[in-house]
Amino acid sequence: DAGITQSPRHKVTETGTPVTLRCHQTENHRYMYWYRQDPGHGLRLIHYSYGVKDTDKGEVSDGYSVSRSKTEDFLLTLESATSSQTSVYFCAIRTGPGEKLFFGSGTQLSVL
Amino acid sequence: TQLLEQSPQFLSIQEGENLTVYCNSSSVFSSLQWYRQEPGEGPVLLVTVVTGGEVKKLKRLTFQFGDARKDSSLHITAAQPGDTGLYLCAESYGGATNKLIFGTGTLLAVQP
Repeated sequence: DAGITQSPRHKVTETGTPVTLRCHQTENHRYMYWYRQDPGHGLRLIHYSYGVKDTDKGEVSDGYSVSRSKTEDFLLTLESATSSQTSVYFCAIRTGPGEKLFFGSGTQLSVL
Repeated sequence: TQLLEQSPQFLSIQEGENLTVYCNSSSVFSSLQWYRQEPGEGPVLLVTVVTGGEVKKLKRLTFQFGDARKDSSLHITAAQPGDTGLYLCAESYGGATNKLIFGTGTLLAVQP
């Protein structure tokens, strides 16, 4: 267990509302990632972070923002949720020999 | 953008049978990772292959990397119900940032 926790695990929200998902790690790893998983698309990278206040976009970053004010927390924000953002969101950290990625258990987000 | 195609998309077999799933790319992989994902959980890394022609074994799972590094396969011998899950291949890109691009996966169901 790489000590990674996502919250909430499930969320239902309405179109147009802001939503923040949290990823928390306990081991001070530098790299953290947010992916979304959708049927037929696999996992796609939204944003990633390579240190406190250091973030960059992934392949599907439109409509999302991130923040990392502490090493242990990486927040993903949907400023104004849309139905197309209904998905399962996974956080990952990079750790260990060979720079492995460890994934959290995911957040199921439904935007109605 | 690298395109990873996995086949088959779905596979339902009986316990004890053998199976092979494939991951193919439109261009040369730098390295390739295989993950297994169980329902309600994040992907878990099984193996990383780096060298063309490489073969790695993990108990009843055999991973092969094509000589030209454009394809890979995962062979499971005597499948067990515990092998049920979504099998994903992924390629690392972006150098030190270790971002991953994933295939769409093969969903395996092993019936007792």
